[in-house]
Amino acid sequence: DTGVSQNPRHKITKRGQNVTFRCDPISEHNRLYWYRQTLGQGPEFLTYFQNEAQLEKSRLLSDRFSAERPKGSFSTLEIQRTEQGDSAMYLCASTPRKGENIQYFGAGTRLSVL
Amino acid sequence: QKEVEQDPGPLSVPEGAIVSLNCTYSNSAFQYFMWYRQYSRKGPELLMYTYSSGNKEDGRFTAQVDKSSKYISLFIRDSQPSDSATYLCAMSVNAGNMLTFGGGTRLMVKP
Repeated sequence: DTGVSQNPRHKITKRGQNVTFRCDPISEHNRLYWYRQTLGQGPEFLTYFQNEAQLEKSRLLSDRFSAERPKGSFSTLEIQRTEQGDSAMYLCASTPRKGENIQYFGAGTRLSVL
Repeated sequence: QKEVEQDPGPLSVPEGAIVSLNCTYSNSAFQYFMWYRQYSRKGPELLMYTYSSGNKEDGRFTAQVDKSSKYISLFIRDSQPSDSATYLCAMSVNAGNMLTFGGGTRLMVKP
């Protein structure tokens, strides 16, 4: 399978713990996006990378959230001191190149904060 | 008010019916319009992609964009039970930028 891969698929954590998710984009896709989706809502943009550079961050991305893409390949999204309101599906998407507009999504990581 | 509005449904239709799904938006700068399908506990899957106003057809699916009315539609002909899913409209200002999604419409096609 050469699609966008996200791990883990489901994460259960206690409030106050830190969690990290990983996204492996489609090979040679140089733009990578993170979105958050809560139940019954559409995905909301969090941040995106062009290669290793983080180009835009949403106001939804509080200081407890940090994303990296150190070598322009896979990306991680870390949430520190998790809160119950962080419970959501975290989706990753990638596009082949600058100017390409079709975003290919992974299956997401579902976070449950108890 | 959200930038992109979409009726959440659920929309229930019999197999073989023509389905009409719609979104309205407020940002006149949107130029790129997409429809994604999302099955339960899966990521969104692109169905249709349109630039600016006009129609686009692909098999049983037709997408329409009316920028003057800030209104987009997706029509599904000969609907099948396998079409049962949540349909998300999405749009962006520039190619490669963030997508702004509607809240999704849940569709149920009954055999």
